[in-house]
Order: sequence, then C-alpha cells, then structure tokens
Amino acid sequence: AQSVTQPDIHITVSEGASLELRCNYSYGATPYLFWYVQSPGQGLQLLLKYFSGDTLVQGIKGFEAEFKRSQSSFNLRKPSVHWSDAAEYFCAVGAGYGNKLVFGAGTILRVKS
Amino acid sequence: GAGVSQSPSNKVTEKGKDVELRCDPISGHTALYWYRQSLGQGLEFLIYFQGNSAPDKSGLPSDRFSAERTGGSVSTLTIQRTQQEDSAVYLCASSVDGYNSPLHFGNGTRLTVT
Repeated sequence: AQSVTQPDIHITVSEGASLELRCNYSYGATPYLFWYVQSPGQGLQLLLKYFSGDTLVQGIKGFEAEFKRSQSSFNLRKPSVHWSDAAEYFCAVGAGYGNKLVFGAGTILRVKS
Repeated sequence: GAGVSQSPSNKVTEKGKDVELRCDPISGHTALYWYRQSLGQGLEFLIYFQGNSAPDKSGLPSDRFSAERTGGSVSTLTIQRTQQEDSAVYLCASSVDGYNSPLHFGNGTRLTVT
C-alpha cells in the first residue's frame, strides 16, 4: 500500500526567501504525485501533479516540484515566498483506477515579514 | 463552472444523534470521494464512488458510517449515533473519471459532536 511522509510539521520562512517542502512516498509502481494547498476554512486546491515525463513540473502560483525516483521524493519548491503563501501543504500519491489518494500529514507554512 | 459544494458548512450535534452531510460534485464528474480531516491529522480516505457504485468503502471507520450517491451526482454521508470522536471536517472531492485525474475538493463540513 502506498504511503506519504512529510517530515516537517511546521516551517517558517521570511517573505522573499526560497522554500522547499519535503515529501517522500512509498509505492511499488510508478506513482502519481500531487501537491495540494489548504487555506484556513477552505478545501484543498491542486498546485501541481506528476504523472510521467519531465521530472520537474510547474504548477500554479509559481510553485514547482521535482520527482526523484531514486530518492522516492517529490519536493515542492518556490524561489520567493509571498505572505499569501501561508497555508497548509499536502503531498499525495495515487495509483490507478479509483485514484484513492493517500495524503501526507501536511506541512504548515508560516511566512514572516 | 461551479465547484464542489458541500452542505452544511458547519454542523453541531449532540452525541447519539444522526447526521447527514451532503456533497454536490462538479457536473459531469463520475468519481466522488469522501475524506475526513481531524485536528492534527492528515486526510483520511473514507469512500469512493464511481457513478452510483462504491467500489471502495474500505475507509469507513465503523458501521455507523454509510454513504450513497444518486443519479451519478449528489452524495450523502450519514453518520448514525454520533460519537465525540466523529468530530472532524468532512471533505468531499470529485474528479472527471477516477483515473488519476486531479481531485477537486469542496470546502468541507465541520462536524462538532457535543
């Protein structure tokens, strides 16, 4: 069964600084990987997804993520964080028909000015 | 078009009462999912619908939980004899075809059992 680990529960970065959120997955076949963002009181919004092909994927809001099979990782990055990026970020892995996504526990991002 | 709509947005109920949570998926989406998000925990899968059928209900935590979907559209999650541990945010999501297409989430129903 697939699983996702997000090692960092909280991360604080200064506005304008770069950001990297870590995600490690466990899955026996080619994973389908997603990053979602959740603002307080809101549902989850898809930032980006990886299915196949180029291992560096671009998403909305200036985010990107790199799939590294050898490390079973799918880390999320942003070169310059904005205060509006403060939210909770979830990495998820899905597989095949049914696409029952398995989510990590989430990382709460705080942005300080 | 409209996104996934969930109602009510908040529900407070007394322990032992039954509650119904409603989800209106995006029109044309054949796959529908229910997840539960508890404080300090991630998202816990509950049940998946393809059309009106539920090929995967492995995440329902007990027989007090049930869900149905009618007309390939609206879904209702029912919790009978609610317990305090049922307090959580219940999220509904839909996707075009249930095959690795992205999930679109509603804003959730926050359930509080007193």
